Amino acid sequence: DAGVIQSPRHEVTEMGQEVTLRCKPISGHDYLFWYRQTMMRGLELLIYFNNNVPIDDSGMPEDRFSAKMPNASFSTLKIQPSEPRDSAVYFCASSLGRDRYYYEQYFGPGTRLTVT
Amino acid sequence: AQTVTQSQPEMSVQEAETVTLSCTYDTSESNYYLFWYKQPPSRQMILVIRQEAYKQQNATENRFSVNFQKAAKSFSLKISDSQLGDTAMYFCAFTLKTSYDKVIFGPGTSLSVIP
Repeated sequence: DAGVIQSPRHEVTEMGQEVTLRCKPISGHDYLFWYRQTMMRGLELLIYFNNNVPIDDSGMPEDRFSAKMPNASFSTLKIQPSEPRDSAVYFCASSLGRDRYYYEQYFGPGTRLTVT
Repeated sequence: AQTVTQSQPEMSVQEAETVTLSCTYDTSESNYYLFWYKQPPSRQMILVIRQEAYKQQNATENRFSVNFQKAAKSFSLKISDSQLGDTAMYFCAFTLKTSYDKVIFGPGTSLSVIP
């Protein structure tokens, strides 16, 4: 398996622009997680899905952030409008469900977002 | 609420030596999992080792082993025969078995292996 795939790897945009980050989870995994990593706040869980349904979005910082999972193989995280404080590395991770083995999350390579 | 603390923001070790990274956590639950993740400069998060709370035996994966002290709520990672490729951020993480969905990560320890 290719692992969790994220695109783009790097994104530089201007304040006010819309940004869309993409994730393809590992085939067969039914949980998908979006994290944000910054020096100040560390690794934060933004939202996660189970079987394409959002379960907990309490980590989403504000209404400018939205996430969708239209099918089992694709998810997006959108920021509109973007602000400089959104600059961070955004990770997508996937895993098998709670009754499976060991609860391991598999992370993608991350998208480094810079908002100028 | 569950929390994970890593009190060592940065550490260094000579190549081939042994180093121990500390982690403490707080929970009132008894059934949970603990993990150590490694994040090298490439940014890729990689699971290093896991421990189930109900297992008294400490987990071991090649050069990596843990010292799990449940009563003290301590979960340290020992890296033996350190290699240059071990240079990375190391995150301690915790999840309740009853609410697997949420994995709580510590702030991380930056480890540098010196040639």
